[in-house]
Amino acid sequence: GQNIDQPTEMTATEGAIVQINCTYQTSGFNGLFWYQQHAGEAPTFLSYNVLDGLEEKGRFSSFLSRSKGYSYLLLKELQMKDSASYLCAVPVYYGGSQGNLIFGKGTKLSVKP
Amino acid sequence: DAGVTQSPTHLIKTRGQQVTLRCSPKSGHDTVSWYQQALGQGPQFIFQYYEEEERQRGNFPDRFSGHQFPNYSSELNVNALLLGDSALYLCASSLEGGEVLSDTEAFFGQGTRLTVV
Repeated sequence: GQNIDQPTEMTATEGAIVQINCTYQTSGFNGLFWYQQHAGEAPTFLSYNVLDGLEEKGRFSSFLSRSKGYSYLLLKELQMKDSASYLCAVPVYYGGSQGNLIFGKGTKLSVKP
Repeated sequence: DAGVTQSPTHLIKTRGQQVTLRCSPKSGHDTVSWYQQALGQGPQFIFQYYEEEERQRGNFPDRFSGHQFPNYSSELNVNALLLGDSALYLCASSLEGGEVLSDTEAFFGQGTRLTVV
């Protein structure tokens, strides 16, 4: 089966750095996605990792360790607008080239002044 | 190039009624998947349509059904609505055989917020 765990809530201060962790157990591995979701809105794509290591994209970076079943999303220079839920997801394939995504429950990040 | 579009954006229905939600995939995409996201939870996979047939289904009752049209657009139907069906319904599209990230099921429409009262 598939299982994804991430902390439920985190709080950080404006201007600081925060790391949101995600652990997963899947049968087979086809990469890992991170999404940002503001309240009442649809998830928006942040990053996709399929190889081990750190991928940096502006203030956001995502890290993957396939051997440990572990990923994290690193947010630097936090801004108030970064207050949102952050979702970790892995694709699963049953046949065909397009799978569906299994999501964690999301980590609600609150950025304080 | 329009991405995935969904309609309506908001909907209020009464318990026991039926509802139809619509999704137009990104231009060039042929596969559509639907997700349900309850408040405070991650999205849950409902089903995926390809070549006008349901290809894969998540753990949802038969009250949830769908359809895909020849133009690849899709509908999600929910019968006998329950209060617990209140959620954000998300649609994602992809391209069978696609190999680049933009052709995977990584990008969602804006969602339909369904409230059952």
